[in-house]
Amino acid sequence: KQEVTQIPAALSVPEGENLVLNCSFTDSAIYNLQWFRQDPGKGLTSLLLIQSSQREQTSGRLNASLDKSSGRSTLYIAASQPGDSATYLCAVSSSWGKLQFGAGTQVVVTP
Amino acid sequence: GAVVSQHPSWVICKSGTSVKIECRSLDFQATTMFWYRQFPKQSLMLMATSNEGSKATYEQGVEKDKFLINHASLTLSTLTVTSAHPEDSSFYICSAPSEDRRSYEQYFGPGTRLTVT
Repeated sequence: KQEVTQIPAALSVPEGENLVLNCSFTDSAIYNLQWFRQDPGKGLTSLLLIQSSQREQTSGRLNASLDKSSGRSTLYIAASQPGDSATYLCAVSSSWGKLQFGAGTQVVVTP
Repeated sequence: GAVVSQHPSWVICKSGTSVKIECRSLDFQATTMFWYRQFPKQSLMLMATSNEGSKATYEQGVEKDKFLINHASLTLSTLTVTSAHPEDSSFYICSAPSEDRRSYEQYFGPGTRLTVT
Protein backbone atom coordinates (compact mmCIF):
# COMPACT_ATOMS: atom_id res chain seq x y z
CA LYS A 1 0.00 0.00 0.00
CA GLN A 2 1.33 3.40 -0.99
CA GLU A 3 2.24 5.71 1.87
CA VAL A 4 3.18 9.34 1.41
CA THR A 5 5.12 11.20 4.09
CA GLN A 6 5.95 14.87 4.28
CA ILE A 7 8.69 16.33 6.41
CA PRO A 8 8.71 18.64 8.21
CA ALA A 9 5.10 18.91 9.38
CA ALA A 10 5.57 22.62 10.01
CA LEU A 11 8.13 25.20 9.03
CA SER A 12 8.62 28.85 9.91
CA VAL A 13 11.14 31.01 8.08
CA PRO A 14 11.86 34.73 7.78
CA GLU A 15 10.99 36.43 4.54
CA GLY A 16 13.60 36.01 1.85
CA GLU A 17 14.85 32.60 2.90
CA ASN A 18 14.53 29.64 0.58
CA LEU A 19 12.05 26.93 1.50
CA VAL A 20 12.77 23.22 1.15
CA LEU A 21 9.86 20.82 1.54
CA ASN A 22 10.28 17.08 1.40
CA CYS A 23 7.96 14.31 0.29
CA SER A 24 8.64 10.59 0.30
CA PHE A 25 6.59 7.68 -0.96
CA THR A 26 6.96 3.95 -0.43
CA ASP A 27 5.96 2.54 -3.82
CA SER A 28 7.99 3.83 -6.74
CA ALA A 29 5.44 2.61 -9.29
CA ILE A 30 3.79 5.99 -9.77
CA TYR A 31 2.45 7.80 -12.81
CA ASN A 32 3.14 11.26 -11.48
CA LEU A 33 3.60 13.40 -8.41
CA GLN A 34 1.88 16.71 -7.78
CA TRP A 35 2.48 19.53 -5.36
CA PHE A 36 -0.47 21.55 -4.15
CA ARG A 37 -0.98 24.59 -2.01
CA GLN A 38 -3.90 24.84 0.40
CA ASP A 39 -4.86 28.01 2.22
CA PRO A 40 -6.83 27.69 5.49
CA GLY A 41 -10.39 26.59 4.84
CA LYS A 42 -9.85 26.60 1.09
CA GLY A 43 -9.48 24.11 -1.72
CA LEU A 44 -6.34 23.07 -3.52
CA THR A 45 -4.19 25.04 -5.91
CA SER A 46 -2.04 22.91 -8.17
CA LEU A 47 1.56 24.11 -8.20
CA LEU A 48 3.58 21.59 -10.15
CA LEU A 49 3.01 18.20 -11.71
CA ILE A 50 5.96 15.92 -12.45
CA GLN A 51 5.40 12.97 -14.71
CA SER A 52 7.14 9.75 -13.72
CA SER A 53 9.54 10.12 -16.66
CA GLN A 54 10.61 13.59 -15.58
CA ARG A 55 13.13 14.58 -12.96
CA GLU A 56 12.01 18.13 -12.25
CA GLN A 57 9.58 20.89 -13.04
CA THR A 58 9.93 24.61 -12.60
CA SER A 59 7.46 27.44 -12.40
CA GLY A 60 8.67 30.88 -11.38
CA ARG A 61 10.17 30.67 -7.90
CA LEU A 62 9.09 27.05 -7.54
CA ASN A 63 11.15 24.04 -8.47
CA ALA A 64 10.23 20.43 -7.77
CA SER A 65 12.46 17.44 -8.22
CA LEU A 66 11.51 13.79 -8.42
CA ASP A 67 13.69 10.77 -7.73
CA LYS A 68 11.33 7.92 -8.38
CA SER A 69 13.81 5.17 -7.60
CA SER A 70 14.40 6.46 -4.08
CA GLY A 71 10.80 7.54 -3.59
CA ARG A 72 11.50 11.20 -2.97
CA SER A 73 10.45 14.61 -4.17
CA THR A 74 11.55 18.02 -3.00
CA LEU A 75 9.81 21.31 -3.49
CA TYR A 76 12.03 24.39 -3.43
CA ILE A 77 10.55 27.85 -3.08
CA ALA A 78 13.10 30.57 -3.64
CA ALA A 79 13.11 33.91 -1.84
CA SER A 80 10.05 33.20 0.27
CA GLN A 81 7.39 35.84 0.80
CA PRO A 82 4.66 36.18 3.46
CA GLY A 83 2.16 35.30 0.74
CA ASP A 84 3.76 31.87 0.50
CA SER A 85 2.35 31.01 3.94
CA ALA A 86 0.06 28.03 3.44
CA THR A 87 -0.02 24.27 3.74
CA TYR A 88 1.78 22.43 0.96
CA LEU A 89 0.62 18.96 0.01
CA CYS A 90 2.27 16.42 -2.20
CA ALA A 91 0.29 13.64 -3.83
CA VAL A 92 1.23 10.66 -5.94
CA SER A 93 -0.85 8.90 -8.54
CA SER A 94 -0.37 5.15 -8.69
CA SER A 95 -3.52 4.41 -10.64
CA TRP A 96 -5.35 6.62 -13.06
CA GLY A 97 -7.08 9.50 -11.38
CA LYS A 98 -6.55 8.44 -7.78
CA LEU A 99 -4.23 10.54 -5.66
CA GLN A 100 -2.60 9.54 -2.40
CA PHE A 101 -1.83 12.62 -0.35
CA GLY A 102 0.75 13.34 2.29
CA ALA A 103 -0.27 15.06 5.50
CA GLY A 104 1.22 18.34 4.37
CA THR A 105 3.79 20.85 5.53
CA GLN A 106 2.42 23.99 7.14
CA VAL A 107 4.60 26.94 6.16
CA VAL A 108 4.73 30.33 7.84
CA VAL A 109 6.86 33.08 6.31
CA THR A 110 7.36 35.94 8.72
CA PRO A 111 7.90 39.50 7.45
CA GLY B 1 -7.76 26.18 -17.84
CA ALA B 2 -10.20 23.53 -16.69
CA VAL B 3 -12.50 24.60 -13.88
CA VAL B 4 -14.38 22.48 -11.37
CA SER B 5 -17.04 24.05 -9.19
CA GLN B 6 -18.74 22.82 -6.04
CA HIS B 7 -22.00 23.84 -4.46
CA PRO B 8 -22.59 24.74 -1.75
CA SER B 9 -19.28 26.06 -0.47
CA TRP B 10 -20.44 25.51 3.09
CA VAL B 11 -23.48 24.01 4.76
CA ILE B 12 -24.70 23.52 8.30
CA CYS B 13 -27.28 20.85 8.95
CA LYS B 14 -28.87 19.12 11.88
CA SER B 15 -28.02 15.59 12.88
CA GLY B 16 -30.18 13.06 11.06
CA THR B 17 -30.79 15.13 7.95
CA SER B 18 -29.32 14.59 4.49
CA VAL B 19 -27.11 16.97 2.56
CA LYS B 20 -26.36 17.02 -1.16
CA ILE B 21 -23.12 18.41 -2.56
CA GLU B 22 -22.69 19.09 -6.27
CA CYS B 23 -19.50 18.90 -8.28
CA ARG B 24 -19.47 20.30 -11.81
CA SER B 25 -16.85 20.41 -14.52
CA LEU B 26 -17.52 23.76 -16.17
CA ASP B 27 -15.65 23.67 -19.45
CA PHE B 28 -14.83 20.04 -20.01
CA GLN B 29 -16.42 16.64 -19.72
CA ALA B 30 -15.64 14.22 -16.94
CA THR B 31 -16.81 10.66 -17.19
CA THR B 32 -15.06 10.07 -13.89
CA MET B 33 -14.84 12.26 -10.82
CA PHE B 34 -13.33 11.66 -7.43
CA TRP B 35 -14.56 12.59 -3.97
CA TYR B 36 -12.15 13.30 -1.13
CA ARG B 37 -12.69 14.09 2.52
CA GLN B 38 -10.44 16.12 4.76
CA PHE B 39 -10.83 16.18 8.53
CA PRO B 40 -9.33 19.10 10.46
CA LYS B 41 -5.55 19.07 10.55
CA GLN B 42 -5.48 15.96 8.37
CA SER B 43 -4.79 15.34 4.73
CA LEU B 44 -7.20 14.46 1.98
CA MET B 45 -8.46 10.90 1.81
CA LEU B 46 -10.08 9.45 -1.27
CA MET B 47 -13.64 8.36 -0.53
CA ALA B 48 -14.99 7.16 -3.84
CA THR B 49 -14.78 7.23 -7.60
CA SER B 50 -17.84 8.52 -9.39
CA ASN B 51 -18.52 7.01 -12.81
CA GLU B 52 -20.93 8.54 -15.29
CA GLY B 53 -23.74 6.15 -16.05
CA SER B 54 -22.66 3.47 -13.63
CA LYS B 55 -22.23 2.81 -9.94
CA ALA B 56 -19.61 4.55 -7.89
CA THR B 57 -16.75 2.59 -6.41
CA TYR B 58 -15.93 3.21 -2.78
CA GLU B 59 -12.66 3.04 -0.92
CA GLN B 60 -12.29 0.61 1.93
CA GLY B 61 -14.05 1.80 5.06
CA VAL B 62 -16.40 4.22 3.32
CA GLU B 63 -20.10 3.35 3.74
CA LYS B 64 -21.74 3.37 0.35
CA ASP B 65 -25.23 3.54 1.85
CA LYS B 66 -24.31 6.63 3.80
CA PHE B 67 -22.47 8.49 1.05
CA LEU B 68 -24.63 8.24 -2.05
CA ILE B 69 -22.97 9.24 -5.28
CA ASN B 70 -24.79 9.96 -8.52
CA HIS B 71 -22.98 10.86 -11.73
CA ALA B 72 -25.95 11.76 -13.86
CA SER B 73 -24.20 13.61 -16.68
CA LEU B 74 -20.78 14.19 -18.15
CA THR B 75 -20.38 17.36 -16.13
CA LEU B 76 -22.13 16.68 -12.82
CA SER B 77 -21.53 14.38 -9.88
CA THR B 78 -23.41 14.65 -6.60
CA LEU B 79 -22.51 13.37 -3.16
CA THR B 80 -25.36 12.96 -0.69
CA VAL B 81 -24.51 12.48 2.95
CA THR B 82 -27.50 10.64 4.35
CA SER B 83 -28.55 10.77 7.99
CA ALA B 84 -25.62 13.02 8.77
CA HIS B 85 -24.00 12.91 12.20
CA PRO B 86 -21.48 15.26 13.82
CA GLU B 87 -18.63 12.89 12.94
CA ASP B 88 -19.44 13.50 9.26
CA SER B 89 -18.45 17.13 9.68
CA SER B 90 -15.57 17.58 7.29
CA PHE B 91 -14.29 19.32 4.19
CA TYR B 92 -15.42 17.51 1.05
CA ILE B 93 -13.51 18.12 -2.19
CA CYS B 94 -14.15 16.70 -5.61
CA SER B 95 -11.78 16.40 -8.53
CA ALA B 96 -12.04 15.64 -12.20
CA PRO B 97 -9.23 14.36 -14.39
CA SER B 98 -8.04 16.00 -17.54
CA GLU B 99 -9.75 14.84 -20.70
CA ASP B 100 -6.25 13.99 -21.88
CA ARG B 101 -5.82 10.75 -19.98
CA ARG B 102 -2.12 10.71 -20.77
CA SER B 103 -1.53 13.71 -18.54
CA TYR B 104 -3.01 12.32 -15.30
CA GLU B 105 -3.65 15.89 -14.24
CA GLN B 106 -6.51 16.45 -11.80
CA TYR B 107 -8.61 19.59 -11.39
CA PHE B 108 -10.00 20.18 -7.94
CA GLY B 109 -13.13 21.94 -6.84
CA PRO B 110 -12.97 24.59 -4.11
CA GLY B 111 -14.45 22.25 -1.52
CA THR B 112 -17.56 22.14 0.63
CA ARG B 113 -17.38 22.62 4.39
CA LEU B 114 -20.03 20.48 6.09
CA THR B 115 -20.88 21.06 9.73
CA VAL B 116 -23.40 18.75 11.38
CA THR B 117 -24.86 20.00 14.64
